[in-house]
Amino acid sequence: GDSVTQMEGPVTLSEEAFLTINCTYTATGYPSLFWYVQYPGEGLQLLLKATKADDKGSNKGFEATYRKETTSFHLEKGSVQVSDSAVYFCALRPQGGKLIFGQGTELSVKP
Amino acid sequence: DTEVTQTPKHLVMGMTNKKSLKCEQHMGHRAMYWYKQKAKKPPELMFVYSYEKLSINESVPSRFSPECPNSSLLNLHLHALQPEDSALYLCASSQLPGTNTQYFGPGTRLTVL
Repeated sequence: GDSVTQMEGPVTLSEEAFLTINCTYTATGYPSLFWYVQYPGEGLQLLLKATKADDKGSNKGFEATYRKETTSFHLEKGSVQVSDSAVYFCALRPQGGKLIFGQGTELSVKP
Repeated sequence: DTEVTQTPKHLVMGMTNKKSLKCEQHMGHRAMYWYKQKAKKPPELMFVYSYEKLSINESVPSRFSPECPNSSLLNLHLHALQPEDSALYLCASSQLPGTNTQYFGPGTRLTVL
């Protein structure tokens, strides 16, 4: 079945460091891909999305590119801030199907 | 505007109580969802409503009873819960079922004593 695999956390970075959170997926067809962020004590917020191969989603300095050849959707940010500390979920949605989440990656950014 | 609201924000209840969670969206979305999330885990789908009708029940125990009074509102009625039901309950909506982006509310943090 369809699935999402994320790199395990927690990930600890210093402020202004470069961030990569790896996400790979298994799916038939052409799913839509998402990154959601969950700040401490809050619900999920949509961070970015991509709906077809080679699409790049971007928001708040975060970027991810839908790579069908490597079945990946890695999240990147050039310079993280303390306020980016949160749990990040990669997710896919097959056409007509349910939203499938990865296990989540906890990011902690230190000043 | 992509806002989904949920009330209450926090709820503490005993195992014999009856309570309800409420979710509201005014984006004209025709699909609404309930998820359960345990700490540091991804959300787990519980129910899906499509055009105000229950379309998916992920084998959820009957002590959880969903209701969709109209296209903007979604309730989750709780009765005789167990301590292991303590979790963050998230509501989400999407424009159409099976497609489009799901937008989540802030959640209700439920504690069952």
